[in-house]
Amino acid sequence: AQSVSQHNHHVILSEAASLELGCNYSYGGTVNLFWYVQYPGQHLQLLLKYFSGDPLVKGIKGFEAEFIKSKFSFNLRKPSVQWSDTAEYFCAVNGGGGYQKVTFGTGTKLQVIP
Amino acid sequence: SAVISQKPSRDICQRGTSLTIQCQVDSQVTMMFWYRQQPGQSLTLIATANQGSEATYESGFVIDKFPISRPNLTFSTLTVSNMSPEDSSIYLCSVGLGGHQPQHFGDGTRLSIL
Repeated sequence: AQSVSQHNHHVILSEAASLELGCNYSYGGTVNLFWYVQYPGQHLQLLLKYFSGDPLVKGIKGFEAEFIKSKFSFNLRKPSVQWSDTAEYFCAVNGGGGYQKVTFGTGTKLQVIP
Repeated sequence: SAVISQKPSRDICQRGTSLTIQCQVDSQVTMMFWYRQQPGQSLTLIATANQGSEATYESGFVIDKFPISRPNLTFSTLTVSNMSPEDSSIYLCSVGLGGHQPQHFGDGTRLSIL
C-alpha cells in the first residue's frame, strides 16, 4: 500500500522567508508524485508533478520540488514566500499513472505574515 | 486538462436524510474518483467510479452508505445516505485522464449535517 507523510502540520513564515515542506512516501514501485495547493475557500489545484526525468521539478508560482529516490522524499521549496502563498499544501502519490488512486498526505497549513 | 463542475457547492442537511452530489466533466473520462475531506484532515478516497461497472469502494466505505452512479463518461453522482453529524465534510470528485496526467479536482461540496 502507498502512504505519504508530511512532517510539518502548520508553518508560519514572514514574507520573503524561504520555504521547505517535507514529504516522504512509501510505495514499492514506480511512483508519480504531486504537490497540490488549496487556497482558503478554493478547490484543490495542482502545483507541480513528477513522473520521470529531472528530479528537480519546477511548478507554478515559483515553487519547485526535488525527488530524492534514496530518501523516498519529495520536498517542496520556494526561495521567497509571499502573503498570497497562505494556503494548505498536500503532497500526494500514486503508482501507475493517472488511472490509479491518489494517496494524500495530511497536509501542511502555511501562514505567511506580511 | 478537464473542467469539473460539482453541485451543490454546499448544503446544510438534517440528520437521517440523504443528499446526492453531482459531478459533471466537460470531456469524456474513463476514471472518476470520489474523495472526502473531513474538517482539519486530508483527503480520503471513498471510491473509484468507472462507467458501466460497479464502483470500487475503499476500506471503511460501503455502497449502502455512499451509493455511486456513473451513467456515462462525463457524469457521476455520489449519495450520502442516512446522514449523521460525522458525515459533515467536503466531498470532492476528481477525474483521471490516464497516462501521466495528474488527477483534476472539482470545487467540492461542503456538507454540514445538523
